[in-house]
Amino acid sequence: DAGITQSPRHKVTETGTPVTLRCHQTENHRYMYWYRQDPGHGLRLIHYSYGVKDTDKGEVSDGYSVSRSKTEDFLLTLESATSSQTSVYFCAISELRDQETQYFGPGTRLLVL
Amino acid sequence: DAKTTQPPSMDCAEGRAANLPCNHSTISGNEYVYWYRQIHSQGPQYIIHGLKNNETNEMASLIITEDRKSSTLILPHATLRDTAVYYCIVTIVGYGQNFVFGPGTRLSVLP
Repeated sequence: DAGITQSPRHKVTETGTPVTLRCHQTENHRYMYWYRQDPGHGLRLIHYSYGVKDTDKGEVSDGYSVSRSKTEDFLLTLESATSSQTSVYFCAISELRDQETQYFGPGTRLLVL
Repeated sequence: DAKTTQPPSMDCAEGRAANLPCNHSTISGNEYVYWYRQIHSQGPQYIIHGLKNNETNEMASLIITEDRKSSTLILPHATLRDTAVYYCIVTIVGYGQNFVFGPGTRLSVLP
């Protein structure tokens, strides 16, 4: 299994609170992705990164920001959490020359009350 | 617009081959077929991919029809641990951010 960890694995927070999720990899892969998974919507891309300090928006980026200051870490921040951001969040990584073979982390379950 | 169509669910007896179909009638010449699966509560797992030739690896075989409008993922000897949702994805390569995970097929391997 690819070396990908996500923290925290579970979090309960209140509406309006900032939340940061962390994805950490030990594979030195260039690309990193944040997805969310909700019933009836499948997996949807939030943001992705194609290198240190290089990020771009995905399909559902509103309300989220990301940062990547090191190859191994990709942070997802909910500036002011809302109940609609209750979801399971998955991080994924891939290599430059094989972007479609993505390795996923174990996920973070976030509940916004 | 959905690029792929998969049956919502399938059953398979343990030890038998599981054949999961995927229709992609609008596939372009430069688009690949990728298969992933997601075991309950875990992150998706890459299985296999192909362009037009049949492919096999340690997990599965991928059969793509000659006209490339459909494909079949074959798990040769399904086990209970293969129970999962299987996603068929059609995509051009070089744009990992363009993956579209549809609803997939929920495969239940029965003892």
